[in-house]
Formats: sequence, C-alpha cells, structure tokens
Amino acid sequence: AQKVTQAQTEISVVEKEDVTLDCVYETRDTTYYLFWYKQPPSGELVFLIRRNSFDEQNEISGRYSWNFQKSTSSFNFTITASQVVDSAVYFCAPGSKLTFGQGTILTVHP
Amino acid sequence: SAVISQKPSRDICQRGTSLTIQCQVDSQVTMMFWYRQQPGQSLTLIATANQGSEATYESGFVIDKFPISRPNLTFSTLTVSNMSPEDSSIYLCSGGQGATGELFFGEGSRLTVL
Repeated sequence: AQKVTQAQTEISVVEKEDVTLDCVYETRDTTYYLFWYKQPPSGELVFLIRRNSFDEQNEISGRYSWNFQKSTSSFNFTITASQVVDSAVYFCAPGSKLTFGQGTILTVHP
Repeated sequence: SAVISQKPSRDICQRGTSLTIQCQVDSQVTMMFWYRQQPGQSLTLIATANQGSEATYESGFVIDKFPISRPNLTFSTLTVSNMSPEDSSIYLCSGGQGATGELFFGEGSRLTVL
C-alpha cells in the first residue's frame, strides 16, 4: 500500500516569488516511480514529471525543479519566479496506480 | 503521449438512474483506470479496467455499483448505477503504459445527481 502526505493544504504567494510544495510518501516497494500532476481551474490533470526511485539527482525544467530525497521519502517541487498561470492544485503521486495525495492549492497573486 | 476523450463531459441525473461514461484513447494503452474526484477532494482510484476481463476494484468500490467494460486497448466505459446525490463527482479516466510510464487523463465527466 502507498500513502502520500502533502502537508500544505493551501499556499498563497505573490507573483515572482519562489514556492516549494512538499510531498512525503510511504511505499513498501523497493523500486517505484513518483509523479507530480497539476490540475488548473479548468479541471484537467496535466502531467509534470516522473521520477524513478533509483535516480536521486535533482531535476530542473525551466522554472520547475524537483528535489528527491529517498532517505526521507520526500519528493518536493519548487516553482521559481511564480506566475499567475501557475495557480492550480498540485498532486504528488507515487506508484503504478498513482495513489494521489490530498493536493496543495497554489494561488499566485499578481 | 496519449489523448483521452471522455463523454459526457457533464450531466445532471435523477436519483435512482444509471449513467455510462465513455473513455476513448487515441492510441493503444496497456493500463486504464477510473478515478473519482469528489468536490474539493483528491482523486480516488475506483478500479483498474482490464481488457477482456473483469475490472479490479479498490476497497470500497464494487462491480454492482460501478460496472466497467474494456473491450479493447483503446476504449473503456464506467457505469454509475442507481445513483444518489453522494455520487455527484468528477469521474476521470486515465491510460498509460504501466508502472514505468506516466498516466494521461481525460478531462473528466462532471456528474450531478439530484
């Protein structure tokens, strides 16, 4: 069984601020994948990243970066220089069937 | 990537009726799943749609209430049976190539039961 904790229910920032969304997971699998999805107000789920548990290198994609710490079972997501369009619900999900966390509502104010 | 289309996108139904949601993928996918997202909540997995065999249901979900079909690798249906207001939710279909790949999601079907 897998479990995900996204401790931040809601985060509110002003445009251009950096923001980090936390994700802590539990899994009994020795190898697994971790995912982040974004759900904007329109409702569709947008895939952001997939990370293999073997690969602990941090990853950067434009303004997005991810910090994976297997020792602490954390997979945190940072948005640099946030923009209003980043406003959405962000879900962290481990595993093959994607057990979703409760999500973090991010609001970026102009 | 895969593009997933769901129909209907939204519907308003009467208590006691049933509604079937269709999910079409533009390419063959190994895995297909159905999720429910209640208002303001996260996604909860209902079941794995297995091609040519009975779906695999998660705890709390049963076939009589949520019958699922998957006749091929690109199509699945979810029926919400004998609906009650508690079934008002967004139902999402997803598909992908298994544990190593990302899942792609449909835009969801927003169901309101009166």
